[in-house]
Amino acid sequence: DVKVTQSSRYLVKRTGEKVFLECVQDMDHENMFWYRQDPGLGLRLIYFSYDVKMKEKGDIPEGYSVSREKKERFSLILESASTNQTSMYLCASSLVRYSGYTFGSGTRLTVV
Amino acid sequence: AQKITQTQPGMFVQEKEAVTLDCTYDTSDPSYGLFWYKQPSSGEMIFLIYQGSYDQQNATEGRYSLNFQKARKSANLVISASQLGDSAMYFCAMRVGLTGGTSYGKLTFGQGTILTVHP
Repeated sequence: DVKVTQSSRYLVKRTGEKVFLECVQDMDHENMFWYRQDPGLGLRLIYFSYDVKMKEKGDIPEGYSVSREKKERFSLILESASTNQTSMYLCASSLVRYSGYTFGSGTRLTVV
Repeated sequence: AQKITQTQPGMFVQEKEAVTLDCTYDTSDPSYGLFWYKQPSSGEMIFLIYQGSYDQQNATEGRYSLNFQKARKSANLVISASQLGDSAMYFCAMRVGLTGGTSYGKLTFGQGTILTVHP
């Protein structure tokens, strides 16, 4: 069964900490995405990557960066966590631009 | 820019009845795809159904069907014979640039609709 795995289900971090959210897919997909989900706002795209070492800003990239050193792994980095980054973070991947997404189970991050 | 609008924050339905979840979209790209996802309380996103902008027929997948009205830019999800397990958040999403462009297949999501199925 194809899978997208997010390393943590729940995470609590302190304000100002550097936070790494990891995402790994085993489907050899080119495209990978990071979204955050907030009540009433749906899912909003933070960053995406269409190839190793390539990245593109999404709709809300401020305060975040990403890393894709290997095809199967896409990391989201919160350079200095703030309370307004408390959210559910969802990683997804797709084979090509016109195929469906496969999502991970999500990481619920709380910044205190 | 692309936009997806789901105007129903919450919907209630009796078990075994049908329910329609509304979705309208806005794009100037003639080539696009519309998706519906289900998100149970556990958090994972489950793909339900897909409709391409050039598809002649409305998509169906088991109890799910997509009422695609291109002129009205609507893509409503119809769930027939609701079950208690259908209680979840439902998201409508759109992808543009299917035949070219630099969108790299980004999905734009609506705000979501919480569906509650009563026994």
